[in-house]
Amino acid sequence: GAGVSQSPSNKVTEKGKDVELRCDPISGHTALYWYRQSLGQGLEFLIYFQGNSAPDKSGLPSDRFSAERTGGSVSTLTIQRTQQEDSAVYLCASSLLVGHISDTQYFGPGTRLTVL
Amino acid sequence: KQEVTQIPAALSVPEGENLVLNCSFTDSAIYNLQWFRQDPGKGLTSLLLIQSSQREQTSGRLNASLDKSSGRSTLYIAASQPGDSATYLCAVKEGNNRLAFGKGNQVVVIP
Repeated sequence: GAGVSQSPSNKVTEKGKDVELRCDPISGHTALYWYRQSLGQGLEFLIYFQGNSAPDKSGLPSDRFSAERTGGSVSTLTIQRTQQEDSAVYLCASSLLVGHISDTQYFGPGTRLTVL
Repeated sequence: KQEVTQIPAALSVPEGENLVLNCSFTDSAIYNLQWFRQDPGKGLTSLLLIQSSQREQTSGRLNASLDKSSGRSTLYIAASQPGDSATYLCAVKEGNNRLAFGKGNQVVVIP
């Protein structure tokens, strides 16, 4: 595809439910990143994939959060037993030149999650 | 832990004026620094990327400088236009491949 795509664009759920957020990176990009943007806060790093493995999961805020990536392409971020503080925009990015000093991350439009 | 600060948080300027947006970071061990633009309800668009060994980058009306030793970057937008109204985000890339972001400069250009 032409860019990073994410689905759904908006998700409203009830407290305690599980949600899955999907990211389709740019074709050929080996690295994939998840970030969270909460109201009034900056973007917060969650997790990074190199291929299908996640060398850095340190940004996940709790064990309710998990992510996987299959076939070196699509990634799913799962939030179990959602809480109101999980409400945020979840942004996915991908990049080609991992570790290179000119590596640029390209971002998707985000998924706005609202937990009632 | 890397901390990125952007000042001012918000500003309004008349059309035609030059914009100056400031970014500072606490740890100078960075790979690169990027400036992004974010429009309401949209994702981030990369504007300029400055490698750690570079001092500045230019693209059209945009110019970004980097002083790594002092932990500062400045984004200049010449002859601002209403279409420049957006939030501008500064991000530094560290050795762990993650980006550390500031909270942004929210810009309104008044016609």
